[in-house]
Amino acid sequence: EIVLTQSPDFQSVTPKEKVTITCRASQTVGISLHWYQQKPDQSPKLLIKYASQSFSGVPSRFSGSGSGTDFTLTINSLEAEDAATYYCHQSSSLPRTFGQGTKLEIK
Amino acid sequence: QVQLVESGGGVVQPGRSLRLSCAASGFTFGSYAMHWVRQAPGKGLEWVAVILYDGDNKYYADSIKGRFTISRDNSKNMLYLQMNSLRAEDTAVYYCARDSGGAAAEIEYWGQGTLVTVSS
Repeated sequence: EIVLTQSPDFQSVTPKEKVTITCRASQTVGISLHWYQQKPDQSPKLLIKYASQSFSGVPSRFSGSGSGTDFTLTINSLEAEDAATYYCHQSSSLPRTFGQGTKLEIK
Repeated sequence: QVQLVESGGGVVQPGRSLRLSCAASGFTFGSYAMHWVRQAPGKGLEWVAVILYDGDNKYYADSIKGRFTISRDNSKNMLYLQMNSLRAEDTAVYYCARDSGGAAAEIEYWGQGTLVTVSS
């Protein structure tokens, strides 16, 4: 099983700040790494697919990069509505796995 | 638009069974693999199972293997999760989800979830 480890677990940030969340895989996943946003009491929503491709309708301030075992989700100019928990997810092999999540709090 | 609506959750005693359903609409159901993903209260996401488009291939997380069965009825646009021998640690919101198609495809759309509580 591929273990995905995100950092940090929690971050308190101010609006307009730039945020970087990392996801490290225990073995290579190529670019089959995806990012989701989950707001309280809502289901997850796809933000970034295949490491760097933005999903339809996602604001341009969200971007992703990386390949192999190290990946990054970047949020430029954070907005209050970005308060959420962010998860990475690998589809390279079964069983599918998720990172433990990174909770963003807006100050 | 893609809609996934789960049902069948509730409170069930340990050791008992429950069947979850997911009604799909807004896309050609029989063309996509479908997943179940769960989330225990206050915890992260845990992948449970996937069934490929034709229903012939199914894969499970080790934590539920042998107790849960995923199935689908493409004629009714329905996905199911039969859960047997339920344990307290199976308590979670269960999400039905669709991938984007193709090998190693990302999970693209999620339902709103249905809560399963295993308690005596």
